[in-house]
Amino acid sequence: EVQLVESGGGLVQPGGSLRLSCAASGFIFSDHYMDWVRQAPGKGLEWVGRSRNKANSYTTEYAASVKGRFTISRDDSKNSLYMQMNSLKIEDTAVYYCVLPSRIIGIRRYFDFWGQGALVTVSS
Amino acid sequence: DIQLTQSPSFLSASVGDRVTITCRASQGISNYLGWYQQKPGRAPNLLIYAASTLQTGVPSRFSGSGSGTEFILTISSLQPEDFATYYCQQLNSYPITFGQGTRLEIK
Repeated sequence: EVQLVESGGGLVQPGGSLRLSCAASGFIFSDHYMDWVRQAPGKGLEWVGRSRNKANSYTTEYAASVKGRFTISRDDSKNSLYMQMNSLKIEDTAVYYCVLPSRIIGIRRYFDFWGQGALVTVSS
Repeated sequence: DIQLTQSPSFLSASVGDRVTITCRASQGISNYLGWYQQKPGRAPNLLIYAASTLQTGVPSRFSGSGSGTEFILTISSLQPEDFATYYCQQLNSYPITFGQGTRLEIK
């Protein structure tokens, strides 16, 4: 059974930093791309970024809203995905979901497994 | 960036109704579109991928159609558990984007 468990959320002041973790189990983590998606309170879904697998050199993609401030990394030996969030802004307040996009059609990867989410609140 | 516009944003319907939700893309995305259902306090759930393929375990009353710039999610006969918010998502190009959501409520 696939499990994705986020941790590391909390309250942080504007300009501060936070590191989210996602512990994965139930699948071969090193084979897969992983994504982060966020949802501000009462708002819609926003894709944040992607980590490709080792076969694709662990390259990353980011939404423009976080590029240069957020860094996605992974440790395949620990089956874990991370997101270092720096220079946090009030508008980064959201629930952050770790996502396994394992429904693969061609090169497109649909988001079929989601964690329960971690709340990040940026406030003074 | 590819913008996805869902209509309507809010929909009120009754159990047993047939409902459709439209998702329009700002440029052609072939069939690289997914549909997700989200209930309050829960993570989204993949319903449809590649515009029209039903995800494993999703009831057959859900269906998807479309290609290019216009896509439709249809629920053939609403059940009480279908009242939720629905999102479309494009995977044609980065950044991956979602529609703004359609909230489906009980009339």
